[in-house]
Amino acid sequence: SQTIHQWPATLVQPVGSPLSLECTVEGTSNPNLYWYRQAAGRGLQLLFYSVGIGQISSEVPQNLSASRPQDRQFILSSKKLLLSDSGFYLCAWDGQGAYNSPLHFGNGTRLTVT
Amino acid sequence: SQQGEEDPQALSIQEGENATMNCSYKTSINNLQWYRQNSGRGLVHLILIRSNEREKHSGRLRVTLDTSKKSSSLLITASRAADTASYFCATDALEGYSTLTFGKGTMLLVSP
Repeated sequence: SQTIHQWPATLVQPVGSPLSLECTVEGTSNPNLYWYRQAAGRGLQLLFYSVGIGQISSEVPQNLSASRPQDRQFILSSKKLLLSDSGFYLCAWDGQGAYNSPLHFGNGTRLTVT
Repeated sequence: SQQGEEDPQALSIQEGENATMNCSYKTSINNLQWYRQNSGRGLVHLILIRSNEREKHSGRLRVTLDTSKKSSSLLITASRAADTASYFCATDALEGYSTLTFGKGTMLLVSP
C-alpha cells in the first residue's frame, strides 16, 4: 500500500533562517506531488506541484522554492524565512495521469517563524 | 483564487443528529471532492462525485451535486463525536490540466 511521509512534524525557526521540509512517498511510481500551505482558519493554498523528476510548477510567487530530486521525494525550501511563512505545510500525491483521483496527504509540518 | 466556498463556516450539533454542509463553486468542473481534516492532521479523502453524477453515498455520507447551481452538499447522518473535524470541498476545473482548488472548510463539532 502507498504511504506518504512528511517531516518534521513541528518546526520553530527564526526569521532569516533557511528551511527544508521533506516529503517522500512509498508504494507508487511516478506520482504527482504537491505542496500546500494552510493558514489558521483558512483553506489550502497550493504552492508547488510536480509531475516528474526535476519538473516544478509554482502557483504563488513567494519566498519559497521546491525541488524534486528523485521520483518520490519532494522538498520545500527557503533561503531566508519571513514571519509570513508561518503556517501548516502539507505534502500530497496523486496518481500520474489520474484524471479523477483523490489526493493523499501527509500529516503536515507546523512551521512557526519567530 | 479559491473556487469552492463552504457554508456554514462552523456547525455545532449533538450526537445522533444529521450534519449538512454546503459548497458553492464558480466555474465548470470535472469532479468535486470532499475531504476531512482532524485538528493538526492532514486531509483525508471522503468521497468524489463526477460532474455527470447527481448523488453518491458512502456509509453515513451522502453527497449531492447540482451543476446548474454550481453547488454540492455533504450530509453526515447519525453523527458521532468522532465526526468532529473540518470538512473541505475541492474542485477540479474542467479546462485543461487542473489542480484541485480547496474551499476554506466547515468546522463541525459533534457533542456527546
